[in-house]
Amino acid sequence: DVVMTQSPLSLPVTLGQPASISCRSSQSLVHSDGNTYLIWFQQRPGQSPRRLIYQVSNRDSGVPDRFSGSGSGTDFTLKISRVEAEDVGIYYCMQGTHWPETFGQGTKVEIK
Amino acid sequence: EVQLVESGGGLVQPGGSLRLSCAASGFTFSSYWMSWVRQAPGKGLECVANIKSDGSAKYYVDSVKGRFTISRDNAKNSLYLQMNSLRADDTAVYYCVRGGSYLKDYWGQGTLVTVSS
Repeated sequence: DVVMTQSPLSLPVTLGQPASISCRSSQSLVHSDGNTYLIWFQQRPGQSPRRLIYQVSNRDSGVPDRFSGSGSGTDFTLKISRVEAEDVGIYYCMQGTHWPETFGQGTKVEIK
Repeated sequence: EVQLVESGGGLVQPGGSLRLSCAASGFTFSSYWMSWVRQAPGKGLECVANIKSDGSAKYYVDSVKGRFTISRDNAKNSLYLQMNSLRADDTAVYYCVRGGSYLKDYWGQGTLVTVSS
């Protein structure tokens, strides 16, 4: 199985400051169709996960533009340009290129 | 508006069975792959099974192969997960999710399955 490794696992951030989460895969996530199926989810406390970013860098409808995704191959990043209080939660990356799909361990974002 | 509503969770003894259901609305259910993803208490996410839009292909994570069966009824806009030979480590919130490996764009609120004697 493809192992997804996130860092850091805990991320205390000051309101208004940027935040960055890394996600590395044990194999390339480039699919034979040329696409890279790397997704980012946000899970706020007590809620179901919500998709933020798909295929590395495509932001979902309704997701604030302070969220951005980047990367290629085995190395990916989720950035929040200016953290707001509503961004508190756990962020997961997930690869869908290889079965079984696998998730990172999660990164807990909290306000300092 | 896309809605996914799970039901069927509860407390079951080790070795027992449970059937989860997911009622879908707000989209053309028969056009989408669907998934079940679970989350053990205080833990991360694990995709348990995926099923193709017409039910002709199904994929399972190794830990549930031979014990769980994913199915769907497109006429009823419903997704199911039959869980047999349940173990303590199957205890989790089970989410119904629209899409297979590439999508996962909408999630239900989840239903809790507790396996304990």
